[in-house]
Amino acid sequence: EVQLVESGGGLVQPGRSLKLSCAASGFTFSNYYMAWVRQAPTKGLEWVAYISTGGGSTYYRDSVKGRFTISRDNAKSTLYLQMDSLRSEDTATYYCTTTRVYPYVMDAWGQGASVTVSS
Amino acid sequence: DVQMTQSPSYLAASPGESVSISCKASKSISNNLAWYQEKPGKANKLLIHSGSTLQSGTPSRFSGSGSGTDFTLTIRSLESEDFAVYYCQQYNEYPPTFGAGTKLELK
Repeated sequence: EVQLVESGGGLVQPGRSLKLSCAASGFTFSNYYMAWVRQAPTKGLEWVAYISTGGGSTYYRDSVKGRFTISRDNAKSTLYLQMDSLRSEDTATYYCTTTRVYPYVMDAWGQGASVTVSS
Repeated sequence: DVQMTQSPSYLAASPGESVSISCKASKSISNNLAWYQEKPGKANKLLIHSGSTLQSGTPSRFSGSGSGTDFTLTIRSLESEDFAVYYCQQYNEYPPTFGAGTKLELK
């Protein structure tokens, strides 16, 4: 069974940094692209970032480009999201997802990590 | 970005009934559309991709149809576990975008 467990969320001041982790199990992590999706309070879902199997190709939504970095450690089956220069509008629950069916189709999701950016 | 418009935003129904949720894209996305289910305390679930292909584990009472700009998710004979929020998502163009969601509530 696929399991995705996010960690590292919390309360952070604007302009500061936070790093999310996602421990994956139940599938061959290194074989698949992975993605982060977020959901702001009372809002819908928003794709954030995407990473290739080896980590050499990464993609970001415009609003986080230059501030967020997606990465992975295939030896540890772990996905990361380094978030720098955080803004209040980054407040959201961040979900780790697999994309095993088709590019950008999120076929399995974690339970999410809550990030609150506030002074 | 491709805008995805779902309707209705809220839908009230009773177990045993059938319901349909509409999703319209701002431009043609071929059949590159997925549907997801969100329930409190549970991980989001991929129900359908490619417009009408049921993901493994999705009950057969769920069906998807449409192509181009207009899509529909239909749930036949609602069961208690189906009351949830449903999202459509296009993956035809970068960046992938989601609809705002449809909350299916118990009448």
